[in-house]
Amino acid sequence: DAGVIQSPRHEVTEMGQEVTLRCKPISGHNSLFWYRQTMMRGLELLIYFNNNVPIDDSGMPEDRFSAKMPNASFSTLKIQPSEPRDSAVYFCASSSWLAGGMAGELFFGEGSRLTVL
Amino acid sequence: GNSVTQMEGPVTLSEEAFLTINCTYTATGYPSLFWYVQYPGEGLQLLLKATKADDKGSNKGFEATYRKETTSFHLEKGSVQVSDSAVYFCALSEGYNQGGKLIFGQGTELSVKP
Repeated sequence: DAGVIQSPRHEVTEMGQEVTLRCKPISGHNSLFWYRQTMMRGLELLIYFNNNVPIDDSGMPEDRFSAKMPNASFSTLKIQPSEPRDSAVYFCASSSWLAGGMAGELFFGEGSRLTVL
Repeated sequence: GNSVTQMEGPVTLSEEAFLTINCTYTATGYPSLFWYVQYPGEGLQLLLKATKADDKGSNKGFEATYRKETTSFHLEKGSVQVSDSAVYFCALSEGYNQGGKLIFGQGTELSVKP
């Protein structure tokens, strides 16, 4: 069974360029999360979706960041324009709800390492 | 707000040594608690979890007990191996109907030397 699939694995771009990160969650999961990992700030939750609907985007740092989930099997995180301080590893994770409203285990992708020069 | 605090790393141990990584939390309500592990170049994966007070989670020789009275969830292993070298994250869930949102600690890097 395929896990969470992220692309690209590595992206190097120049300041001001648009960056799009992609995620395919595990089939049947109905929650999707975007996290950012840096040495300075650790793991930060950027946004999460339940049943394709954004629930909490309070972690999105600025208007330059946007995320979409057009269907249950695909999500994107876009940065436009990108800046050097956006350099980080971006993780997508998915999970499914259990009975009683509790969430199941979070499954993480391998991450997209972004470097903005 | 809810938060998780872990002991700072890196932690360096010799093979077969005893491991403790401290984790304390602040939360309203009754969160579930987790330990995730991240091996180099990979995403995080669940190591163990506990969903209520006094529960003990265990996996691969690691264990942690949910202590509500001390708001702690310390990770322990009796005899570490070189293959346990990784970054360990303590996390809590914000309870029901939060869609699985997890709050992570800052991570503790473990290095085990042969």
